[in-house]
Amino acid sequence: ETGVTQTPRHLVMGMTNKKSLKCEQHLGHNAMYWYKQSAKKPLELMFVYSLEERVENNSVPSRFSPECPNSSHLFLHLHTLQPEDSALYLCASSQEPRTRRYFGPGTRLTVL
Amino acid sequence: KNEVEQSPQNLTAQEGEFITINCSYSVGISALHWLQQHPGGGIVSLFMLSSGKKKHGRLIATINIQEKHSSLHITASHPRDSAVYICAASNTGNQFYFGTGTSLTVIP
Repeated sequence: ETGVTQTPRHLVMGMTNKKSLKCEQHLGHNAMYWYKQSAKKPLELMFVYSLEERVENNSVPSRFSPECPNSSHLFLHLHTLQPEDSALYLCASSQEPRTRRYFGPGTRLTVL
Repeated sequence: KNEVEQSPQNLTAQEGEFITINCSYSVGISALHWLQQHPGGGIVSLFMLSSGKKKHGRLIATINIQEKHSSLHITASHPRDSAVYICAASNTGNQFYFGTGTSLTVIP
């Protein structure tokens, strides 16, 4: 068990739905991340939070909205997604932004 | 062109074989990461290194800063090593560049 949990593990949603992905880390880390992995593409870093402040946003469409209420929890709010947003969404955490990252199991998202 | 290139893209080996996966990068880095992704999506961070060599069990990672090249070696490979192995480079600005991964299948 990596100490980083994600829920749900699988999600199917329509393009007009609103849903949220949740990540929780039990490692006492200060930095958390959202990644997207699409089939046959490199892993993409979406957002970085350090001490609950967003420090990086890699040109992610506004239909993805992150929220970090405290250093242990990270959410990714989804609304009006497109079928091409179907992918594996991975959460990770690290002690600091420059240190080794620990990944959660991911949420496999399918947008219909 | 990707800032991080991996080879091979796909690799099939017999159980017990010595395996090498290569990674070349074209950006300045502060660290090189090797990640393992199992079927079903879960990712494990195997190594983070900035120089020399690290070993963990049957896994060995090396990096040559001058040549901008890193290798991941698996000794005495086993079917449970079957996974996608991803090389990633990070710089001092915390920007990450990921390779497309190497899909490894170890046959009993």
